[in-house]
Amino acid sequence: GQQVMQIPQYQHVQEGEDFTTYCNSSTTLSNIQWYKQRPGGHPVFLIQLVKSGEVKKQKRLTFQFGEAKKNSSLHITATQTTDVGTYFCAGFLGNQFYFGTGTSLTVIP
Amino acid sequence: NAGVTQTPKFRVLKTGQSMTLLCAQDMNHEYMYWYRQDPGMGLRLIHYSVGEGTTAKGEVPDGYNVSRLKKQNFLLGLESAAPSQTSVYFCASRRDSPLYNEQFFGPGTRLTVL
Repeated sequence: GQQVMQIPQYQHVQEGEDFTTYCNSSTTLSNIQWYKQRPGGHPVFLIQLVKSGEVKKQKRLTFQFGEAKKNSSLHITATQTTDVGTYFCAGFLGNQFYFGTGTSLTVIP
Repeated sequence: NAGVTQTPKFRVLKTGQSMTLLCAQDMNHEYMYWYRQDPGMGLRLIHYSVGEGTTAKGEVPDGYNVSRLKKQNFLLGLESAAPSQTSVYFCASRRDSPLYNEQFFGPGTRLTVL
């Protein structure tokens, strides 16, 4: 079946360091979305990428969608303590979303 | 605008008991989803609905049933709960749009089956 793999599972960084999480799908996706979940909270939508090779930026966050629409990455520049949480990618195919396993980010002040 | 709400927030069941989780959205969204979240496994789709009166199976549908009698409500039922169904359950909804199909999640229901 459809699978979306996400690495790493955990990442600890010093405040101010950069952070990257990667998603890979076994099949070509219609689009990919990224969500953030704070501890004890629910997933909150960050962004959607639709086009092959698309790059979008939100302040310190940069999102990329691969040329084959099978992989994606989220890069955070100069992490802050407010970036703490788990980041999920979600590949969209048909009417369903296939979530990656998430990357839990800890930022050490 | 409450967005997506879920009831109850917490529940403890004994093996074999049944219960229904309610999800309600006030955004007039066509699509609704039920996920379960387990440590290290991300969110897995249980069932979903593309509109009032419709339901479809997701990745992990066994042991669950759903109904969408009203557009704003999506119910998830457990007929005979098992310890393997201990999890956090999230409901989500989205518009029927190819460009703007972000999911809005409810706050979740934490279910423990003893």
